[in-house]
Amino acid sequence: DAGVIQSPRHEVTEMGQEVTLRCKPISGHNSLFWYRQTMMRGLELLIYFNNNVPIDDSGMPEDRFSAKMPNASFSTLKIQPSEPRDSAVYFCASSLALGSYTGELFFGEGSRLTVL
Amino acid sequence: QQQVKQSPQSLIVQKGGISIINCAYENTAFDYFPWYQQFPGKGPALLIAIRPDVSEKKEGRFTISFNKSAKQFSLHIMDSQPGDSATYFCAAVTDSNYQLIWGAGTKLIIKP
Repeated sequence: DAGVIQSPRHEVTEMGQEVTLRCKPISGHNSLFWYRQTMMRGLELLIYFNNNVPIDDSGMPEDRFSAKMPNASFSTLKIQPSEPRDSAVYFCASSLALGSYTGELFFGEGSRLTVL
Repeated sequence: QQQVKQSPQSLIVQKGGISIINCAYENTAFDYFPWYQQFPGKGPALLIAIRPDVSEKKEGRFTISFNKSAKQFSLHIMDSQPGDSATYFCAAVTDSNYQLIWGAGTKLIIKP
């Protein structure tokens, strides 16, 4: 099994540029999560999709952040324009939700974003 | 009430020793308590999990102890090995919710 695949693994960009992070969840999983990890704030849930539908985006920091899931095998997280405070590791995770039970989260290896 | 408090922030243990990480919660509606292990450069991965109807769960060298009345649970790593050096996160969730409430993490270093 390939696991959750994220790209790019590393991204260095300048303030004001658009950043797009990509995620391919595990085949058959119907829930997808985007997390952000920093030393100061730990793991923060940004957005949660179930069956490709955004269920909760209350964790998205501001309008500069947007996420899409056009089909069951692909999701993107976009930051436009990027700011230095967006520097973090962004994780995508997927799970097989059965009814109301979310189940085990399978994380990708993350995308490390540095905004100069 | 939604917080999970984890301690210590960092821990150094000699090889062969016992590593203990503690977590406390307030929300009595939580009914699933997983521990995730994260190695540098990797995403967290589920290590072991427990539900509040049992007081202990053991998987190899890893044990979760659960105290429902005190609203506390802990991870014990027996015979700690250098390969156990990682960051450990406790978490809590209700079956009716999707959002894991994460502890702040414990960076564990096992000295050879």
